[in-house]
Amino acid sequence: EEQLVESGGSLVQPGGSLRVSCAASGFSFRTYWMSWVRQAPGKGLEWVATIKQDGSEEYYVDSVKGRFTISRDNARSSLFLHMNSLRAEDTAIYYCSRNPELWLRANYYYYMDVWGKGTTVIVSS
Amino acid sequence: EIVMTQSPATLSVSPGERATLSCRASQSVYSDLAWYQQKFGQAPRLLIYGASTRATGVPARFSGSGSGTEFTLTISSLQSEDFAVYYCQQYNNWPPWTFGQGTKVEIK
Repeated sequence: EEQLVESGGSLVQPGGSLRVSCAASGFSFRTYWMSWVRQAPGKGLEWVATIKQDGSEEYYVDSVKGRFTISRDNARSSLFLHMNSLRAEDTAIYYCSRNPELWLRANYYYYMDVWGKGTTVIVSS
Repeated sequence: EIVMTQSPATLSVSPGERATLSCRASQSVYSDLAWYQQKFGQAPRLLIYGASTRATGVPARFSGSGSGTEFTLTISSLQSEDFAVYYCQQYNNWPPWTFGQGTKVEIK
């Protein structure tokens, strides 16, 4: 069974740092782009960051650029999100997701087909 | 950035009835559109990608249509397990990948 399991969420003070992790199983992790998506309390889904199979490309939503870093360890089938300078508005459930690749119209496109259950990050003093 | 707008915000439907959810993109996304279902306290679940292709294991009562800027998710006969929030997402013009704000389907 294809599965993603997040961990590492906790309560952290504003300005603090945290690393959340995602363990993948049941599929060839190294062949997929992977993403983090978050959901603030009572709000909708917001894409946060995406990383290419080999880690050579990373993409971020503007609000976290320079503060968050996505990374991966293909040998351990793990995805990470390193979060620095955390703000109250970063409070959310953080989901990792698998991104299958579509080759269409001479370009690659990526949607999100497998999701973990999420890990909760609370930024508060 | 492509803005995705869903309507209505809340849809009240009786079990067994048909539900029609709309999603509009601020510019064309071709058919690069996915729909997700999220039940309370759970992770999102992929229902549809490519605007109309059902994901593995998704019941046939769920169907997607549209292209360009206008899309529809139809649930032909609502079951009790279908009451949830539904999100559309474009993956045409990335980054960023952008979601609609969601439509809540509730019991009438």
